[in-house]
Amino acid sequence: AAGVIQSPRHLIKEKRETATLKCYPIPRHDTVYWYQQGPGQDPQFLISFYEKMQSDKGSIPDRFSAQQFSDYHSELNMSSLELGDSALYFCASSLGRLGETQYFGPGTRLLVL
Amino acid sequence: ILNVEQSPQSLHVQEGDSTNFTCSFPSSNFYALHWYRWETAKSPEALFVMTLNGDEKKKGRISATLNTKEGYSYLYIKGSQPEDSATYLCAFRSNDYKLSFGAGTTVTVRA
Repeated sequence: AAGVIQSPRHLIKEKRETATLKCYPIPRHDTVYWYQQGPGQDPQFLISFYEKMQSDKGSIPDRFSAQQFSDYHSELNMSSLELGDSALYFCASSLGRLGETQYFGPGTRLLVL
Repeated sequence: ILNVEQSPQSLHVQEGDSTNFTCSFPSSNFYALHWYRWETAKSPEALFVMTLNGDEKKKGRISATLNTKEGYSYLYIKGSQPEDSATYLCAFRSNDYKLSFGAGTTVTVRA
C-alpha cells in the first residue's frame, strides 16, 4: 500500500540558509501534519493543513512557513536556519482532521552546520 | 503544550512474558488518545485511536485500555516477542484539536 512520502530524506544546510521539505500524503488523505523531533526530544507538533487550509498551529517558529497544494502535497519552508533547527522532521497524513489515525512518513533528517 | 507522561521510560522484558505501561494525560478537554509504535530507523506506526471512556482496543498481542475520567491509558503486550522491541508513544488530542506526545516507553524484549 502507498505510504507517506517525504523528500529529501537527508539534508545538510548551513546557518542562515533556507530549506524546503516536501510531503506527499497517502492518496485520498486530505490532512497533513508536520512534526519536529530534536535529538532526544519528544516529537513537537508544528502545523497541520486540512483541505489546503491551515487547520492547526503548534510550535512552528516564525521563520518557518508551510502550505498544502491542490494535489494535497505539503511543503515546509524554513528560512534563516539555525543550528537548533537540526532535527528529524516528520510529516503525517490522515483522512479527516479530527482524531483520525495519522500515518507517518519516514522523516527528513536536517542537519544545520 | 499539554502534559502527557508515559511510564516507565524504559523496560526490559523476557521473551514470552507479558508487560504493560502507562500514558497519563489531562482528564479535561479530552478528544482522543493515540498509540504509536516506533521502531529504530523507522517512522512511527499507528496502533490505536481511542475516543470513548472504557474503550478497549486490540491488535494481535497488543491491547490498550482508556480511562478518560482519571486520565490514563494502559498498553499491554502479551507474550512479548523480540519484534515487539520498540518505543511506544502515546499522543493526547484535546477538544481544541491540539496534539501532544508523551516521551515514550522503550521496550526491549530479551530472547
